[in-house]
Amino acid sequence: DIVMTQSPLSLPVTPGEPAFISCRSSQSLLHSNGYNYLDWYLQKPGQSPQPLIYLGSDRASGVSDRFNGSGSGTDFTLKLSRVEAEDVGVYYCMQALQTPITFGQGTRLEIK
Amino acid sequence: QVQLVESGGGVVQPGGSLRLSCSTSGFIFSYHGMDWVRQAPGKGLEWVAFIRYDGSNIFYRDSVKGRFTISRDNSKNTLYLQMNSLRVEDTGVYYCAKRGRVQIAGVTAHYYYYYMDVWGKGITVTVSS
Repeated sequence: DIVMTQSPLSLPVTPGEPAFISCRSSQSLLHSNGYNYLDWYLQKPGQSPQPLIYLGSDRASGVSDRFNGSGSGTDFTLKLSRVEAEDVGVYYCMQALQTPITFGQGTRLEIK
Repeated sequence: QVQLVESGGGVVQPGGSLRLSCSTSGFIFSYHGMDWVRQAPGKGLEWVAFIRYDGSNIFYRDSVKGRFTISRDNSKNTLYLQMNSLRVEDTGVYYCAKRGRVQIAGVTAHYYYYYMDVWGKGITVTVSS
């Protein structure tokens, strides 16, 4: 199984400041078609997960341009520019290259 | 709008069975693959199973193989998860998720990528004696 490792696990951020979440995979997520099969999801308190980023860097429909995904191979980053109160929740990276699909442990973002 | 509504959860003893349903609306169900993802209390997300839009391909995580069965009825726009021989470690909230499709341009051809673009609110399953 591909192991997904996120850091940090807890991320206190001042509103208006940027935030960075790292995700590393135990195997390359680069498909032969040239795309990285890596998605990001946000689970807000008391809610079900919602998609943010797919294929490493493409924003899902309706997602703010404050969210940006980058990286390739085994190293990926989710950047939130200008964190807002509504961004609070747990962020998960997920690999979709092979089954079983696996998620990172989650990064809990909180407002300072 | 697109809606996924899970039902069928509850409390069951170890070794018991439950059948979860995911009723869908607002999209053409028969065009989309579907997943079940679960979350143990206070823990992270764990993928459980996937079924292709027409049921021709099915995948499970190892820990549920032989115990859980994912299926769908495209005439009823409904996804199912039959769970047998339940264990305490199967306790959690179970989400159904729809796979959305995006077209991507590869090096030599066009492809489709499918990601979990809509999730239900989840249903709680508790396995306890």
